[in-house]
Amino acid sequence: QSVLTQPPSVSGAPGERVTISCTGNNSNIGARYDVHWYRQFPGTAPRLLIYANVNRPSGVPDRFSGSKSGISVSLVITGLQTDDEADYYCQSYDNNLRAWVFGGGTKVTVL
Amino acid sequence: EVELVESGGGSVQPGGSLTLSCQASGFTFRDFWLHWVRQVPGKGLMWVARINVGGNSRSYSESVKGRFTISRDNTKSMLFLQMNDLRVDDTAIYYCVRFSSRITLSGAEFDVWGPGTLVTVSP
Repeated sequence: QSVLTQPPSVSGAPGERVTISCTGNNSNIGARYDVHWYRQFPGTAPRLLIYANVNRPSGVPDRFSGSKSGISVSLVITGLQTDDEADYYCQSYDNNLRAWVFGGGTKVTVL
Repeated sequence: EVELVESGGGSVQPGGSLTLSCQASGFTFRDFWLHWVRQVPGKGLMWVARINVGGNSRSYSESVKGRFTISRDNTKSMLFLQMNDLRVDDTAIYYCVRFSSRITLSGAEFDVWGPGTLVTVSP
């Protein structure tokens, strides 16, 4: 069971908007640790998608955005494309566990 | 090009040992903290261990503490993970990961990942 909670799957039609939530507690997200998002295509390593809750590394399109509110953060994908089918993971730091922690991952399916 | 490449994975019996290596290139290796993260095929990600720039500060997840040792050789730009007393549930893809050098008190991100190396522990 992961420390950060994500929905196992989300889906949407091409062009639609999907939101992936990531919920923690007062030892991680609630303790003001940043959340980062990674995208992983089958058979490949994860890759940084959003860092520090809302920032995109160079090369990441602005269709991907992040937000944070309390102990929850969200990754929003707008203008969904078939190439967006992948697994998405949130990640933060937990000061009670003294460990870097991940969400269980969310599989995005484009209908 | 910034790159991390793991090696040393393979099959081992429970109770056995294995050492993973990670060769870095394209950046000033000695300036970055490094981590190992693992993933059971088809499952989620789990942080394993981290080491600071000088190699004198290390931390581990509870599930590997006392069995795994992370180390680095800054002269060769290499990261290592020595794994002892391996268990079936250590079976996973092990990723060598660079920790961002972004200065923050809020927890930085993993900004570069290697392709991973598969470790299989089975009788």
